[in-house]
Amino acid sequence: KAGVTQTPRYLIKTRGQQVTLSCSPISGHRSVSWYQQTPGQGLQFLFEYFSETQRNKGNFPGRFSGRQFSNSRSEMNVSTLELGDSALYLCASSLAVTGADTQYFGPGTRLTVL
Amino acid sequence: AQKITQTQPGMFVQEKEAVTLDCTYDTSDPSYGLFWYKQPSSGEMIFLIYQGSYDQQNATEGRYSLNFQKARKSANLVISASQLGDSAMYFCAMREALGGYNKLIFGAGTRLAVHP
Repeated sequence: KAGVTQTPRYLIKTRGQQVTLSCSPISGHRSVSWYQQTPGQGLQFLFEYFSETQRNKGNFPGRFSGRQFSNSRSEMNVSTLELGDSALYLCASSLAVTGADTQYFGPGTRLTVL
Repeated sequence: AQKITQTQPGMFVQEKEAVTLDCTYDTSDPSYGLFWYKQPSSGEMIFLIYQGSYDQQNATEGRYSLNFQKARKSANLVISASQLGDSAMYFCAMREALGGYNKLIFGAGTRLAVHP
């Protein structure tokens, strides 16, 4: 079974631009969560999508948004990029059937904002 | 307040020896899960082991075991017979039922270096 895939793997943008990251979950997984990882703040939860609905949201500004499609693929968008948005963005998928379900992570998208 | 605390920024271990990575957590939710993930320099988070708050026995997965002490709110990862490929960052994470099943709270991580 193929794992979680994320595209692109690397991105370089400039301040003020916007960016869209994509995540394809493991086949059959209905939940996709997004995390931001930075050296200063560590790993922080951004949001979770389940059946095309945002089910949970972390403490990030409205510039960070996402969506999920009917095939469970998810996209994350960051508008008006700031230098502090430079980070590794990880997505994770899970079956979301029980509370014990494990989240499996993709390889991440490394975003650099200049 | 920190919900997940990993007090060891870095650890060194000799190849083939066992190593324990510490993790303490804080929650008032009676239903929660604890996870350990490994992150090599490539960046991908690799799931290692899971322990549910109601599980009576400590979880084990191959060379990995979780020393779960509920009263002390600790969930230490034990890696037996360390291998060079175990060199990586290790993250402890918690999921609270009330916080949403797919919202993981991570600790700051421990960097493990395995020496030959």
